[in-house]
Amino acid sequence: DAGVIQSPRHEVTEMGQEVTLRCKPISGHNSLFWYRQTMMRGLELLIYFNNNVPIDDSGMPEDRFSAKMPNASFSTLKIQPSEPRDSAVYFCASSLGTAGNQPQHFGDGTRLSIL
Amino acid sequence: QKEVEQNSGPLSVPEGAIASLNCTYSDRGSQSFFWYRQYSGKSPELIMSIYSNGDKEDGRFTAQLNKASQYVSLLIRDSQPSDSATYLCAVKTLARGKLIFGQGTELSVKP
Repeated sequence: DAGVIQSPRHEVTEMGQEVTLRCKPISGHNSLFWYRQTMMRGLELLIYFNNNVPIDDSGMPEDRFSAKMPNASFSTLKIQPSEPRDSAVYFCASSLGTAGNQPQHFGDGTRLSIL
Repeated sequence: QKEVEQNSGPLSVPEGAIASLNCTYSDRGSQSFFWYRQYSGKSPELIMSIYSNGDKEDGRFTAQLNKASQYVSLLIRDSQPSDSATYLCAVKTLARGKLIFGQGTELSVKP
């Protein structure tokens, strides 16, 4: 079975450019999560969706970050304009609902470098 | 106080020994607990989940949960060099549908 699919795997761009990260959740999963991981701050939840609706975006660092989920099989995380401090690994995860016993399954991540 | 706390390590154990990883959490409403393993440069991979007080065993892994003391642990028996990774503890409450992760403990198993 296909897992969570993220693209691109690596992204290097210059400060000020728009960055779009993409995620395809596991088929049938109705909850989707975007995380950012850095050495300093660890794994941080940015936003999550349930049935394509954003439920909690309290982790989104600022207005430069936005996320959408137009349908059950696709989500994007956009940074505009990007800054060097946005450099991190961004993970997408999905689960079958948000009930307590439903684990999250992670994609391979996008390693983002902002120069 | 962080919501989920782990010793950052690194924890170094010899091959064949038992590795003990600990995690404490602050929200008494927490109901589900997960251990993820993350190899360097890779994504987190679920290895254990536990929901009730006591022990849960899966192969060489045993998860232990004590809700009264608000801690959860992971024991790895007969540790192998391939177990060398960072282990992330994650906690979920019913009120919030999201996982809260600890900072992770780096485990190094020496041959």
